[in-house]
Amino acid sequence: DAGVTQSPTHLIKTRGQQVTLRCSPKSGHDTVSWYQQALGQGPQFIFQYYEEEERQRGNFPDRFSGHQFPNYSSELNVNALLLGDSALYLCASSLVGQSEQYFGPGTRLTVT
Amino acid sequence: AQSVTQLDSQVPVFEEAPVELRCNYSSSVSVYLFWYVQYPNQGLQLLLKYLSGSTLVKSINGFEAEFNKSQTSFHLRKPSVHISDTAEYFCAVTTNDYKLSFGAGTTVTVRA
Repeated sequence: DAGVTQSPTHLIKTRGQQVTLRCSPKSGHDTVSWYQQALGQGPQFIFQYYEEEERQRGNFPDRFSGHQFPNYSSELNVNALLLGDSALYLCASSLVGQSEQYFGPGTRLTVT
Repeated sequence: AQSVTQLDSQVPVFEEAPVELRCNYSSSVSVYLFWYVQYPNQGLQLLLKYLSGSTLVKSINGFEAEFNKSQTSFHLRKPSVHISDTAEYFCAVTTNDYKLSFGAGTTVTVRA
């Protein structure tokens, strides 16, 4: 039973560039959430997708956007990268209506 | 909105000694509570959860946590730690909106 997978593992980008991160949920899960974990901090909720729509959003600017595909996989896009966007980006999957979320290994984004 | 406070940022402990990690939450509605563990350069692993029912919950590797509604706490304990328990531990809370709010984390360092 495959768990949550994310790609790429690491990424280095320059300020002002755009980046796309990818996530495949755990088998059987239909809801994907994205979190940003800055160094030395707890994860912060970015947004959640279900039925290909953004259902909830945390306190992140519109530069952060996402998408969910019919197979439940998801992408996180960040435009106009800032140095402060450097972080570990975590994807979590769950079943709609259930509180347990299972996390992937994360994508480490470094903005220079 | 809900929030989590982890009262200890770092906990050094000797092998085979007990450990307690303190977590307090704030919420105006009923909550679901979780402890996640993060090993270096990895994602989050679900350690244990409180959804309803018995207020004492246990993991398969010897950790336990007790939900105390009157004190709004969900402290994590282990009677005897191993070197392999060295990691960062995050307390998290969610409500019916299913977006997790995390504490800042507690770094546990187990020494021989």
